[in-house]
Amino acid sequence: DADVTQTPRNRITKTGKRIMLECSQTKGHDRMYWYRQDPGLGLRLIYYSFDVKDINKGEISDGYSVSRQAQAKFSLSLESAIPNQTALYFCATSDMTSGRGYEQFFGPGTRLTVL
Amino acid sequence: KQEVTQIPAALSVPEGENLVLNCSFTDSAIYNLQWFRQDPGKGLTSLLLIQSSQREQTSGRLNASLDKSSGRSTLYIAASQPGDSATYLCAVIGAGSYQLTFGKGTKLSVIP
Repeated sequence: DADVTQTPRNRITKTGKRIMLECSQTKGHDRMYWYRQDPGLGLRLIYYSFDVKDINKGEISDGYSVSRQAQAKFSLSLESAIPNQTALYFCATSDMTSGRGYEQFFGPGTRLTVL
Repeated sequence: KQEVTQIPAALSVPEGENLVLNCSFTDSAIYNLQWFRQDPGKGLTSLLLIQSSQREQTSGRLNASLDKSSGRSTLYIAASQPGDSATYLCAVIGAGSYQLTFGKGTKLSVIP
């Protein structure tokens, strides 16, 4: 089984709809991240969380919100989706106690299309 | 603001050739540098992590080097194979920032 899983893997939605992308991990890592990837722009950080009570904005947080429901679960919400949020979304984890400082492990991604 | 550049954007080589992918970053105050592989439409696979105190890391046919003072890293792939075809991404974490900054990647094609 994959260590970092994302659901759904593909989603098509309409402008104005609220959607949630979910991420779960079995790696026991304390830190979790959400990124989006766009052609020509690379990966950009949306939000990150160092533990259940800690949420931080990344480079491009506008239009997004997150919830860290448990150490193993981190969800990303688009309150009112718009077409320029069409992208590939990745969840990642890292473990500060590993001695390999900040090495990040990525999920398989969610391809989101907003019509 | 940290910027990461990868050159070339695309590279095509015949099978068996040794090759080097380049990564440069503008702020040398980094905590570590990570190389990833991404297959089309897929997630990122971590290949190598180089911590700031290290000069290089090796895994199989892959060798990554880091020169913090010049803001450069290279990924060396020996005896390339068609299965190495993918996009290779370089990313750095700035000291104290906790955030990965990615380059836009080098798309590698290994021709049988």
